[in-house]
Amino acid sequence: NAGVTQTPKFRVLKTGQSMTLLCAQDMNHEYMYWYRQDPGMGLRLIHYSVGEGTTAKGEVPDGYNVSRLKKQNFLLGLESAAPSQTSVYFCASSYRWGGEQFFGPGTRLTVL
Amino acid sequence: QQQVKQSPQSLIVQKGGISIINCAYENTAFDYFPWYQQFPGKGPALLIAIRPDVSEKKEGRFTISFNKSAKQFSLHIMDSQPGDSATYFCAASKETSGSRLTFGEGTQLTVNP
Repeated sequence: NAGVTQTPKFRVLKTGQSMTLLCAQDMNHEYMYWYRQDPGMGLRLIHYSVGEGTTAKGEVPDGYNVSRLKKQNFLLGLESAAPSQTSVYFCASSYRWGGEQFFGPGTRLTVL
Repeated sequence: QQQVKQSPQSLIVQKGGISIINCAYENTAFDYFPWYQQFPGKGPALLIAIRPDVSEKKEGRFTISFNKSAKQFSLHIMDSQPGDSATYFCAASKETSGSRLTFGEGTQLTVNP
């Protein structure tokens, strides 16, 4: 089992460019999450999904969109990247809504 | 979303010493309290977890102490080693229904040789 995988691992964007981060999990988990991690700020929830075809806003959703067309995949999109979106992005999944979350290795995004 | 407050933000310990990280929560309905460990360049991973029917759980050098009346729980790392240097997150939830995991702000632990 690969667990939770994320692509790409690194990316540099110019302000205004768009991109999509892909998260995939092979554990058949219903719940998936996107977080961003900034120094001294901990893990902040961007969006989450409680099942295929569903998405919901987390704590810091502005500037991001998500889609969950397949149960195993959760995509995070940036339509017009801003320097404030420079961060490390983690995807996670869980079997239970309040249960253990399994994290991917992260994507380091720099917006110039 | 109910908060989980974690302290200290950073901690420096000498090799062989005891590292202690504290967390406080608000929601008395929480019934699952995990600690996650994150090494540089990696995603967080579950280290140890406790449920409120016990006051302490030990796995090797890592111990969670839980105080239900004070709504606090802490991670103790005995005989701290340089390899324990990482960021540690506490979290809390109502596991079977109601609320997802809420994470603390994280503690950056450095163990000096």
